[in-house]
Amino acid sequence: DAGVTQSPTHLIKTRGQQVTLRCSPISGHKSVSWYQQVLGQGPQFIFQYYEKEERGRGNFPDRFSARQFPNYSSELNVNALLLGDSALYLCASSLVGTRMEPQHFGDGTRLSIL
Amino acid sequence: AQSVTQPDIHITVSEGASLELRCNYSYGATPYLFWYVQSPGQGLQLLLKYFSGDTLVQGIKGFEAEFKRSQSSFNLRKPSVHWSDAAEYFCAVAGQAGTALIFGKGTTLSVSS
Repeated sequence: DAGVTQSPTHLIKTRGQQVTLRCSPISGHKSVSWYQQVLGQGPQFIFQYYEKEERGRGNFPDRFSARQFPNYSSELNVNALLLGDSALYLCASSLVGTRMEPQHFGDGTRLSIL
Repeated sequence: AQSVTQPDIHITVSEGASLELRCNYSYGATPYLFWYVQSPGQGLQLLLKYFSGDTLVQGIKGFEAEFKRSQSSFNLRKPSVHWSDAAEYFCAVAGQAGTALIFGKGTTLSVSS
């Protein structure tokens, strides 16, 4: 079975631009979460979606937005990119998004801002 | 506030030696605890999880972890380390906001021959 897939693998942008990252969850999983991992740190929670509804949001500015589609795939959008947005962006999926469920991570999208 | 602390930034262990990675959590209710491993350039792989019941939980790749409520700890152990275990290890607790995982800063494990 395919795991969580993310695209693109790597991305280079300049300050002020906008970026869209994509995620396909494991088949049958209805919940998707997004995390930002800055070099040398643990992942930080950005968003969680379940059945196309936002269930949770971390401490990130409004420049960050996301959505989930009817097929449960998800997109993360970041506007007005800053140098500090350079990070590995991880997508994770779980069946229905309860606290007890382990989250399954993709390999991430490496975003570099010049 | 919910938080996870991994006191050791970097640990070096000889191949074949035992390993213990420390994790302390802060959480008001029953914690749901996880250990993940991350190899360079890759995502996170779940090693094991604790929800309730037995305080010693077994995971994949020969890892185990012990939950100690009195010490707010969830330390990861392995009896004999292999060179392929070199990676970044993250301890996490499931937070109250949705299913957000709260991660520690991670411990880098190096294995010497």
